[in-house]
Amino acid sequence: DTAVSQTPKYLVTQMGNDKSIKCEQNLGHDTMYWYKQDSKKFLKIMFSYNNKELIINETVPNRFSPKSPDKAHLNLHINSLELGDSAVYFCASSPRGPGRNEQFFGPGTRLTVL
Amino acid sequence: AQKITQTQPGMFVQEKEAVTLDCTYDTSDPSYGLFWYKQPSSGEMIFLIYQGSYDQQNATEGRYSLNFQKARKSANLVISASQLGDSAMYFCAMREGPGAGSYQLTFGKGTKLSVIP
Repeated sequence: DTAVSQTPKYLVTQMGNDKSIKCEQNLGHDTMYWYKQDSKKFLKIMFSYNNKELIINETVPNRFSPKSPDKAHLNLHINSLELGDSAVYFCASSPRGPGRNEQFFGPGTRLTVL
Repeated sequence: AQKITQTQPGMFVQEKEAVTLDCTYDTSDPSYGLFWYKQPSSGEMIFLIYQGSYDQQNATEGRYSLNFQKARKSANLVISASQLGDSAMYFCAMREGPGAGSYQLTFGKGTKLSVIP
């Protein structure tokens, strides 16, 4: 069984459109995250959610909004897409707290904005 | 200032040889964790190894070991007996303590390792 899944794997869309990426984890983890990986492979945190509450938001434009219907899901909605939003978006999850608690990543969604 | 620095954009290693990938970090938090992830060309992120700031011994996981030098703030990944399948991007990451709030990971820019047959 897939631990962290994302849909779609590829997303190609026009500038100005609104799109969503879905993420689900079946690991029973308390915290979920969204990361953006740019064309130079740099990974940067966008959001994290703990028990359905947003606990950080790292200078991300408000066109991006995470939505968590329950502990196992964290979806990413993007409004008015721009060329610079083209990237690979990774969802991840982990148990909360110190110690190893490594993050498990989804397969990524490659977003291309034309 | 960068919190995680990986100074080697790319490296080559001969198959069956050992290789060290460098990582230095910067934090004032006494409680932190250091992670290494592998990203093959297929794109997935694979966890390799973890070192906690209070761990007395260097972490090891199979062919991976972490050379942790706390005073120098370095956490280098050592891969022994390199295999062709080790060719990938390798990312060092840090998670700072509870005071940071969310247990997010801060990543370095990565090192692209190529294993030569």
